[in-house]
Amino acid sequence: EIVLTQSPGTLSLSPGERATLSCRASQSVNNNYLAWYQQRPGQAPRLLIYGASSRATGIPDRFSGSGSGTDFTLTISRLEPEDFAVYYCQQYGGSPLTFGGGTKVEIK
Amino acid sequence: QMQLQQSGPGLVKPSETLSLTCTVSGGSISSYSWSWIRQPPGKGLEWIGYIYKGGNTNYNPSLKTRVTISVDTSKNQFSLNLMSVTAADTAIYYCMRGNGWYADWGQGTLVTVSS
Repeated sequence: EIVLTQSPGTLSLSPGERATLSCRASQSVNNNYLAWYQQRPGQAPRLLIYGASSRATGIPDRFSGSGSGTDFTLTISRLEPEDFAVYYCQQYGGSPLTFGGGTKVEIK
Repeated sequence: QMQLQQSGPGLVKPSETLSLTCTVSGGSISSYSWSWIRQPPGKGLEWIGYIYKGGNTNYNPSLKTRVTISVDTSKNQFSLNLMSVTAADTAIYYCMRGNGWYADWGQGTLVTVSS
């Protein structure tokens, strides 16, 4: 089973700042099959990125994904008020599919 | 974008079977794979399993002995059955389209296991 470790656990930033979230895998993720999701309170997760770097339909270009192998990054170039939420990475290159523990982006 | 509407009881007794259904609109259920995940209150996401469009299934080993995912093409629905539940199975359960990354989600169902 691939274990995904997200860091930091909490990120305290101000609107307009840049957010950098990390997701590290315990072994290489096949084909870089790595996705990122945003979850706001009381809502289902929303797909942001798949294939490590492809933006999902309707996702603003301030969200970008990068990385390969075992190290992946989600970057939010300029935080908007609606971006304060919890973010999860997920790998689908191997079974079982697994999720990271999440990073909470909170308002400083 | 497909619409997924979940239904099923919000309270299940210990040792009984949790049963949830996801009704799909905006597309044919036969054309895709379908998945379930869960999220204990205040915690992270756990993949439960998926059913391929051909009918084969793949389950999380941690739940494999208790879980069944099935499709009813006549109703454009797919279902989750989880047997012998305990309090540890209390969670929000989500249905999704696909077997990799997930763009289409149901609204989520909070299932509490309690007598």
